[in-house]
Amino acid sequence: DAGVTQSPTHLIKTRGQQVTLRCSPKSGHDTVSWYQQALGQGPQFIFQYYEEEERQRGNFPDRFSGHQFPNYSSELNVNALLLGDSALYLCASSFLASGSQETQYFGPGTRLLVL
Amino acid sequence: GQQLNQSPQSMFIQEGEDVSMNCTSSSIFNTWLWYKQDPGEGPVLLIALYKAGELTSNGRLTAQFGITRKDSFLNISASIPSDVGIYFCATAAGEKLTFGTGTRLTIIP
Repeated sequence: DAGVTQSPTHLIKTRGQQVTLRCSPKSGHDTVSWYQQALGQGPQFIFQYYEEEERQRGNFPDRFSGHQFPNYSSELNVNALLLGDSALYLCASSFLASGSQETQYFGPGTRLLVL
Repeated sequence: GQQLNQSPQSMFIQEGEDVSMNCTSSSIFNTWLWYKQDPGEGPVLLIALYKAGELTSNGRLTAQFGITRKDSFLNISASIPSDVGIYFCATAAGEKLTFGTGTRLTIIP
């Protein structure tokens, strides 16, 4: 049973470029959340997707957008990259109907470096 | 927004020692969570607490939900090398998790 997978593992971009990160949830999960973890900090919630719709959003600008596909996988898109977008981007999946809001399984993350 | 403050920021201990860390906030919460993050990995849930005063164990780990509902504590007994990593407290609002600043645990040989 595969856990949460993310791709790519590492990525280098330059300021102003756009990036797409991908996540496949754990088998049986239908909800995907994205977090940004800056160096030395705890993860910060970006947004959550369920039934292909954005369900909750954290305090991130519109440059951050996402998508969820019918197979529950998800993409995170960041436009007009800034140096401050350099971080580890974590995807977490869960099963909404479980009622256990804390039972989110995290992937290994994608480390993005913006130069 | 809400902020979770963890202390200490880092700990250097010898194998076999007990470890204590805590997390505080100015807000009241209904759920307290403790995660561990190893290098190159995402956080892994260790313990979830749902009730003020609750004390829950997971092997050598014990966590407590503070009576005021504004804090939580994590203890690790008889530390071993695989305990090395960063420990985060977190709270849940809906399915949104808010994480603390983390405590980095290092074991000195």
